[in-house]
Amino acid sequence: DIQMTQSPSTLSASVGDRVTITCRASQSISSWLAWYQQKQGKAPKLLIYKASSLESGVPSRFSGSGSGTEFTLTISSLQPDDFATYYCQQYNSFPYTFGQGTKLEIK
Amino acid sequence: QLQLQESGPGLVKPSETLSLTCTVSGGSISSGSYYWGWIRQPPGKGLEWIGNIYYSGSTYYNPSLKSRVTVSVDTSKNQFSLKLSSVTAADTAVYYCARLPLELPFDYWGQGTLVTVSS
Repeated sequence: DIQMTQSPSTLSASVGDRVTITCRASQSISSWLAWYQQKQGKAPKLLIYKASSLESGVPSRFSGSGSGTEFTLTISSLQPDDFATYYCQQYNSFPYTFGQGTKLEIK
Repeated sequence: QLQLQESGPGLVKPSETLSLTCTVSGGSISSGSYYWGWIRQPPGKGLEWIGNIYYSGSTYYNPSLKSRVTVSVDTSKNQFSLKLSSVTAADTAVYYCARLPLELPFDYWGQGTLVTVSS
């Protein structure tokens, strides 16, 4: 199985800050990586697919980059609605696997 | 607008079989452009992929659950289902169904349903 490791596990930031979350794969997954946002009690919401493609309707302050084994999700200017938990997921090969999550908290 | 809705018992006894159904509305489950999947999330923990099914019945399962999992599809009802046998407390989780476009990640999710395994 491909292991996905996110860092940090928790991130404290303020509205307006630029934040970056990192996801590392245990082996190359090319660009077959997605990022999701999950709010308490809700289903995950797809933000980014193919490492850097923005899902329709997602604000442009979200961006993704990377390929191979190292990926990043960047939020350029945090908004109050962005405080949530973020997960990466590889869909390069079965079994699909997720990172352990990064909780983005208000500082 | 596509919608997915999970349904099934919220409480299952240990050693019994968990059964859930996902009803798809606003789109056809028989579209050749999508797989349909199940994902679960234990309380306070991360996400675990369970398995996918194509409208033709082709399936892919997580090896960690493969011996206990069956995913099936009923195109006449626009539904797909999950059965997980011999459950234990470790199977307590919110279970989500989701759509999986070919070569893309899960783009539409159901709201999730909490299944508790307890006697």
